[in-house]
Amino acid sequence: SQQGEEDPQALSIQEGENATMNCSYKTSINNLQWYRQNSGRGLVHLILIRSNEREKHSGRLRVTLDTSKKSSSLLITASRAADTASYFCATDPFYTDKLIFGTGTRLQVFP
Amino acid sequence: GAVVSQHPSWVICKSGTSVKIECRSLDFQATTMFWYRQFPKQSLMLMATSNEGSKATYEQGVEKDKFLINHASLTLSTLTVTSAHPEDSSFYICSAPFGTENIQYFGAGTRLSVL
Repeated sequence: SQQGEEDPQALSIQEGENATMNCSYKTSINNLQWYRQNSGRGLVHLILIRSNEREKHSGRLRVTLDTSKKSSSLLITASRAADTASYFCATDPFYTDKLIFGTGTRLQVFP
Repeated sequence: GAVVSQHPSWVICKSGTSVKIECRSLDFQATTMFWYRQFPKQSLMLMATSNEGSKATYEQGVEKDKFLINHASLTLSTLTVTSAHPEDSSFYICSAPFGTENIQYFGAGTRLSVL
């Protein structure tokens, strides 16, 4: 399967703590994206990091990319209960216009 | 921003009937749209790529006669689940890319329950 792997599968933290999710993938990519999905809803794009970038910030989100290890991480700082959702990484490979989604991390933030 | 609308959000049908799900790009044109299926607590499984004006491209293992896709205009793709059975019950989501970096904009999803 071309699907990316994410860990942890599930993560439970208290409000105010940081949440870190990791993603590994298999092919060369144009970029890597992170999406969020609230329960029973569609996905929402959060942030994109290009293959020639190593780190990117957007508000409370920090993404890193290591193309030599084919891995990425998403850090959410000072988490809030409203951050409770599933988070998916998605790679944009050279060879196709389809995104390859990871297995997802279910984040639960307790107030 | 780019908005994708998906309708209906929830449908219940009897076994053997057909169900049509619509995916519309509201403020942009989409020559390509994607249809996914998602099981509880799992990732998205790409079913097919919908191409405006031509046949859809189905992923391996997806029955094209079971899941009919039509992309007749630059803003509308439809997925018809034909002769639905309980095992077709699932969450179906569509998306369309917008911009130069292949960012996908998703519909809100359709929960299909086949009785």
